[in-house]
Amino acid sequence: DAKTTQPPSMDCAEGRAANLPCNHSTISGNEYVYWYRQIHSQGPQYIIHGLKNNETNEMASLIITEDRKSSTLILPHATLRDTAVYYCIVRVSMIYNQGGKLIFGQGTELSVKP
Amino acid sequence: NAGVTQTPKFQVLKTGQSMTLQCAQDMNHEYMSWYRQDPGMGLRLIHYSVGAGITDQGEVPNGYNVSRSTTEDFPLRLLSAAPSQTSVYFCASSRGQNQDTQYFGPGTRLTVL
Repeated sequence: DAKTTQPPSMDCAEGRAANLPCNHSTISGNEYVYWYRQIHSQGPQYIIHGLKNNETNEMASLIITEDRKSSTLILPHATLRDTAVYYCIVRVSMIYNQGGKLIFGQGTELSVKP
Repeated sequence: NAGVTQTPKFQVLKTGQSMTLQCAQDMNHEYMSWYRQDPGMGLRLIHYSVGAGITDQGEVPNGYNVSRSTTEDFPLRLLSAAPSQTSVYFCASSRGQNQDTQYFGPGTRLTVL
């Protein structure tokens, strides 16, 4: 699985959009970009994933560059409850992946401030 | 659905003791995994299972055993606890299909003295 690089920490004002970047310059054509987050002391929570097109769901939007070497997770209206560590993970599809293994890096610690 | 449940939430062991961390899911998921998370680090895969009766090792399997006799349950056994196994343990499950996502339990916080 390709390696990802994320800033260690970011701040965001409550109600504003939080834009979390991720670099994955060695991504392969069959690798997806996944985002999970971990609120303090809880289990990781799935947010969104994509292959090459931009994706949106009720939690966030995922913007993937055309060359797929980087992506941005957007939380459109951050709240205090969005304070968490956000992990960008690149991996192949489940059927080629040992048990759905997720390789978690250090992630970005997002602090949403009032 | 209760999702993925783990018991106990907290546990303190003495070196050399054995115990079993329980994990259960009610979503009929084929894939189940155990991760450990140490301070300041990401999660590391211990063992995983792609279905009942099938298990395999992850990145850090030493000192742990697993079995999968039913689809719902995937217990993790510590054979002889060591201080290096002090960690937070997360169980996860998924359907096992392409582009699948994983659901994590709330974690078990284990301290080995």
